[in-house]
Amino acid sequence: AQKVTQAQTEISVVEKEDVTLDCVYETRDTTYYLFWYKQPPSGELVFLIRRNSFDEQNEISGRYSWNFQKSTSSFNFTITASQVVDSAVYFCALSEDGTSGSRLTFGEGTQLTVNP
Amino acid sequence: DAGVIQSPRHEVTEMGQEVTLRCKPISGHNSLFWYRQTMMRGLELLIYFNNNVPIDDSGMPEDRFSAKMPNASFSTLKIQPSEPRDSAVYFCASSYRGGTLTDTQYFGPGTRLTVL
Repeated sequence: AQKVTQAQTEISVVEKEDVTLDCVYETRDTTYYLFWYKQPPSGELVFLIRRNSFDEQNEISGRYSWNFQKSTSSFNFTITASQVVDSAVYFCALSEDGTSGSRLTFGEGTQLTVNP
Repeated sequence: DAGVIQSPRHEVTEMGQEVTLRCKPISGHNSLFWYRQTMMRGLELLIYFNNNVPIDDSGMPEDRFSAKMPNASFSTLKIQPSEPRDSAVYFCASSYRGGTLTDTQYFGPGTRLTVL
């Protein structure tokens, strides 16, 4: 069975600080996909990034960067120079590419609060 | 392009009443997912359709819940009779699944259901 763990329930930082959100996953499959979604206070779920299990290259998009390490089954997310608008709940998710379909298993989420 | 559309956005009903939630996936997507979000259980998959056919309904809580997808552009999730413990935010998501490839799920704004 697949599982995603986000050990940090809540993180509070001051604007302009860097912050890293941790994500650890468990899966028996060799082919799988990892995702990060953002849920701002308005409630919608916004897709941020998708990585497949064969691509361990780190990715940077503006102030966001992601570190994927298969050796430690981790897919961590760093926000550089955080801003108040980054305040949200962030979810890490895992999808296995099996015959049963591409169901997403979500972590519990990390509530990030960026204070001015 | 329009994203996933859900209606209603908010629903307040009394215990025992029938509730119908509606979803229009992104045009061209062939997979549709219904999720439920609660404080206690987080985000959990209820049911998944591929090409209008239910593939995995193992997450549907009980017989009071049913879902249909009569065509590629419309799906419903029905609860009959509703109970207070069904109060949650219900998300619909869609993706394009080609062959065995898992693609990115894009979420609708959600329906906040309150059962009194």
